[in-house]
This record gives sequence, C-alpha cells and structure tokens, in this order.
Amino acid sequence: GQQVMQIPQYQHVQEGEDFTTYCNSSTTLSNIQWYKQRPGGHPVFLIQLVKSGEVKKQKRLTFQFGEAKKNSSLHITATQTTDVGTYFCPARVSSGNTGKLIFGQGTTLQVKP
Amino acid sequence: DAGITQSPRHKVTETGTPVTLRCHQTENHRYMYWYRQDPGHGLRLIHYSYGVKDTDKGEVSDGYSVSRSKTEDFLLTLESATSSQTSVYFCAISGGLPYEQYFGPGTRLTVT
Repeated sequence: GQQVMQIPQYQHVQEGEDFTTYCNSSTTLSNIQWYKQRPGGHPVFLIQLVKSGEVKKQKRLTFQFGEAKKNSSLHITATQTTDVGTYFCPARVSSGNTGKLIFGQGTTLQVKP
Repeated sequence: DAGITQSPRHKVTETGTPVTLRCHQTENHRYMYWYRQDPGHGLRLIHYSYGVKDTDKGEVSDGYSVSRSKTEDFLLTLESATSSQTSVYFCAISGGLPYEQYFGPGTRLTVT
C-alpha cells in the first residue's frame, strides 16, 4: 500500500546543531504534510507542500518537496530544546476524498542542551 | 488549537469490559478519525468518518467499532477490551481539502 519511509528513526543532536529528516515514497505523492508531536502531546500540523520542487520556511524550519514529488525533507537550523519531539510526514491515501493519512513511525529528535 | 476534545482523558479497565471513548468537535468539520499510538508503531488509523452515519475501517479496525450520529461527535467502542488495546488513542478532524488534520489531546487507555 501507499507508504512513506522516514529516516532516520531517531536523532540526537547537540543544541545549536542542524538536523534533517527525510521522507521517501515509491509512488508519486499529490502532496505531503508535516506534523510535530512533542513528548506527551498530540500531533500538530506544521505545513503542507503541493508543488514539485516547493520550498517553504517557518523560522528555522525549511521544508522541501522533491522535483519528482516522491520525497520530502525537513531541515532545522540551529536546533533548540523546543524542537524536541517526533516529526511525521504522512502520506495521503489517494483513493477517494476521505483525507485519510498513513502515518509512519516518524523521526524522534532529542536535543542535548 | 482546533475545538476538539476527548473524554475520558485517562481510563483503566479490565479485560473483557466494554469501553467507549468520545471525540467532540466544535468546528463543524466533515471528517473525523480515530488513531492509536503505540511505541514502535507510530500512529495507526482505526476507523474514520466522512459524514454523519458514514464510517469506514482503517488499518487496525479489528476489535473496534465506531458511530457518528451527529457531526460533532465520533464514538469509538471496544466491545470487549483486551490487553493489546492498551494504547493512547487520538481523535482527529479535518474540514476537507487540503485535508490537514487537527488532533485532540488523546486518551490513555490501560486494559488490565
């Protein structure tokens, strides 16, 4: 079935270091969304990318959608302890207009102060 | 945060007992979803609804049923709880295109 693989599964960085997580799909995606879940919290929608090659920024976060629309990345510049959490890039199920998303395990980021 | 609440927030129950979790929204969104989250498995879709009385199964629907008699409420029922259903359950809502989802605070269910 439709699935997005996310790497790495875990990442530990020193505060101030950069961090990148990647999502890869074997099929072309219509769009990709990114969510963040803080420890003990619920997933929170961050952004959606739709266009081939699209790049969007939110402060220190840079989101990219690949030219072939099969991969995406999230880059965090100069991590802070507030960046700790799990980042998900679910794939939207293309059959029917149900908005179903298939979440993987995400990438869990730990930041050492 | 979107107007979405879940009740109860915590529950401990015994194996074999029925359990109902409630998701309530004030956003008048059409789509509602139930997920469970377990270590090592990320978020997995249990059931979803695309309108009042319109529901369908997700990836891990066995042992669960749902009902949606009103736009604002989506109920998840475990007919006979088992220890494997110990998990954190999240409800989410979406208003349609582009289908971004907004999650409730979660319910931590422990089945002993």
